[in-house]
Amino acid sequence: RKEVEQDPGPFNVPEGATVAFNCTYSNSASQSFFWYRQDCRKEPKLLMSVYSSGNEDGRFTAQLNRASQYISLLIRDSKLSDSATYLCVVEDAGNMLTFGGGTRLMVKP
Amino acid sequence: AAGVIQSPRHLIKEKRETATLKCYPIPRHDTVYWYQQGPGQDPQFLISFYEKMQSDKGSIPDRFSAQQFSDYHSELNMSSLELGDSALYFCASRGQGETQYFGPGTRLLVL
Repeated sequence: RKEVEQDPGPFNVPEGATVAFNCTYSNSASQSFFWYRQDCRKEPKLLMSVYSSGNEDGRFTAQLNRASQYISLLIRDSKLSDSATYLCVVEDAGNMLTFGGGTRLMVKP
Repeated sequence: AAGVIQSPRHLIKEKRETATLKCYPIPRHDTVYWYQQGPGQDPQFLISFYEKMQSDKGSIPDRFSAQQFSDYHSELNMSSLELGDSALYFCASRGQGETQYFGPGTRLLVL
């Protein structure tokens, strides 16, 4: 079982749709949590950090539930340019990152 | 803003050859990480350096070695290359209190 698990998708949604991704992690000692975005053959890019209080950045909302060891990402009003793989990433006390397998999103016109 | 620089961006080698990948971290970042990403897989941590000393080791084969130099750039040396070493190799750097920022990667193809 992977330390960080995600539904690989793909999620195929029309433009303007709202889509939600979920992620679970097994290491209860994990310190920090992130969503990265990765386009095909490109490097992972930090999308946003995730906090227990929930945080929002424009159309993106991230939420962390430490008790359930569950992380979510909500994308509202999907754009064609949102098509990518979204990586759930967990950081331990030693600043080591563990990646989920990624969830692929395809936004269609 | 300056980003992580990796060179070369693409590399083609034959089995049993050697390869050296270079990484130049974001200025003032003192920690460098190397990752390997195979086709359809998530990035797998190989090795990291903090202030020119190895700090953590992941799933790095014995055929690979790495170091960080006085100017904080890092090199990943790969010997006796195998077909299975074909992958994207990312370098990431991190400053104090920050998260990791990834370079554009080196795409290695072993024939």
